[in-house]
Amino acid sequence: GAVVSQHPSWVICKSGTSVKIECRSLDFQATTMFWYRQFPKQSLMLMATSNEGSKATYEQGVEKDKFLINHASLTLSTLTVTSAHPEDSSFYICSARVGSLEQFFGPGTRLTVL
Amino acid sequence: AQTVTQSQPEMSVQEAETVTLSCTYDTSENNYYLFWYKQPPSRQMILVIRQEAYKQQNATENRFSVNFQKAAKSFSLKISDSQLGDTAMYFCAFIWGSGTYKYIFGTGTRLKVLA
Repeated sequence: GAVVSQHPSWVICKSGTSVKIECRSLDFQATTMFWYRQFPKQSLMLMATSNEGSKATYEQGVEKDKFLINHASLTLSTLTVTSAHPEDSSFYICSARVGSLEQFFGPGTRLTVL
Repeated sequence: AQTVTQSQPEMSVQEAETVTLSCTYDTSENNYYLFWYKQPPSRQMILVIRQEAYKQQNATENRFSVNFQKAAKSFSLKISDSQLGDTAMYFCAFIWGSGTYKYIFGTGTRLKVLA
């Protein structure tokens, strides 16, 4: 149980295009989902917290117009990187929380912007 | 503000030996939880062990155990009988018992188990 999937696992896009990443909780309903960004050999940096049916809460320094988050249901959250540029290239990880404690992580999405 | 510090960027250990990874944290909260996560080369985050701050007994999961020193705000991970599959990044994480329960991650320790 407690499986979280992400799609796609990797994506390459041209500069200026938008990319959508999906995060799904497969066998449970997640009250909250989180989006992280991880640069090579670095820790996970929380970008935003997403609650179903409400606007996402972004961490300081994260551009909400650049990284659009939609939490449409208790099992699906999406992150759209709008007008992507090479500096947006990174590894993006989502997690889903059940109850109030543990988060279950997706396998991540590697984004490369050319 | 809550902070988590992992002072060992890289460590190595011989297969079958024991290794301890350090983690310290800073908080004024009383109700919080601590975790160790493993991130192997696949990049999938895997929960290794968790500790509730109100519990005095150190958590243990098979070959993994913690040394939780609440007064010192220390939460080290001991891996016994190290195996090649333990090679990974290890992150210490902290949640406090109010608000959105966001994880605060440490910077990570890269562990390499040598054959």
